[in-house]
Amino acid sequence: EDQVTQSPEALRLQEGESSSLNCSYTVSGLRGLFWYRQDPGKGPEFLFTLYSAGEEKEKERLKATLTKKESFLHITAPKPEDSATYLCAARSNDYKLSFGAGTTVTVRA
Amino acid sequence: DTEVTQTPKHLVMGMTNKKSLKCEQHMGHRAMYWYKQKAKKPPELMFVYSYEKLSINESVPSRFSPECPNSSLLNLHLHALQPEDSALYLCASSQVGGLHTQYFGPGTRLTVL
Repeated sequence: EDQVTQSPEALRLQEGESSSLNCSYTVSGLRGLFWYRQDPGKGPEFLFTLYSAGEEKEKERLKATLTKKESFLHITAPKPEDSATYLCAARSNDYKLSFGAGTTVTVRA
Repeated sequence: DTEVTQTPKHLVMGMTNKKSLKCEQHMGHRAMYWYKQKAKKPPELMFVYSYEKLSINESVPSRFSPECPNSSLLNLHLHALQPEDSALYLCASSQVGGLHTQYFGPGTRLTVL
């Protein structure tokens, strides 16, 4: 069975204090590793898809990387508006995403 | 445009009521999904439609009945729900196939009294 584990569970940062979120996965035949951002009471917002080890993608202050066992989401010089829950999900078949429990990031001004 | 819309935003219903949730996308996606999300938990897959046919039912109780009238619309019919069914219900869509990204709607917050 596919398993996705995210750490830490919660992360409190000062504005400008860079950090990384971890997503480790056990998936047979990874077809894609997905990162989403979710604000309270709203649907997940797509951030990145990574397909193969060594791949990196960037968007504003966020950078996602992928190895054969884990993915990292790096937040550089975060701002308060980066506060959200970040979800990682892996897919090994056509449809089903296996989600991690998420990391809740709080950025204080 | 990567927008998935859902109505209503909020729904309160009694255990004897019948109600429906609606989802719409105009991205040409042929796979559509229903997820249930409880507070501080990740989304859990309920149903998948592929080319308007039900492909996956994750052993969801029959009080939840999905329907896909056409390639742009997805409904979830609710009947005789329990208070523990209160949650955020999310719709998502994607191209068919394992490499494609699922795009989520804003969700319907359901409260069962």
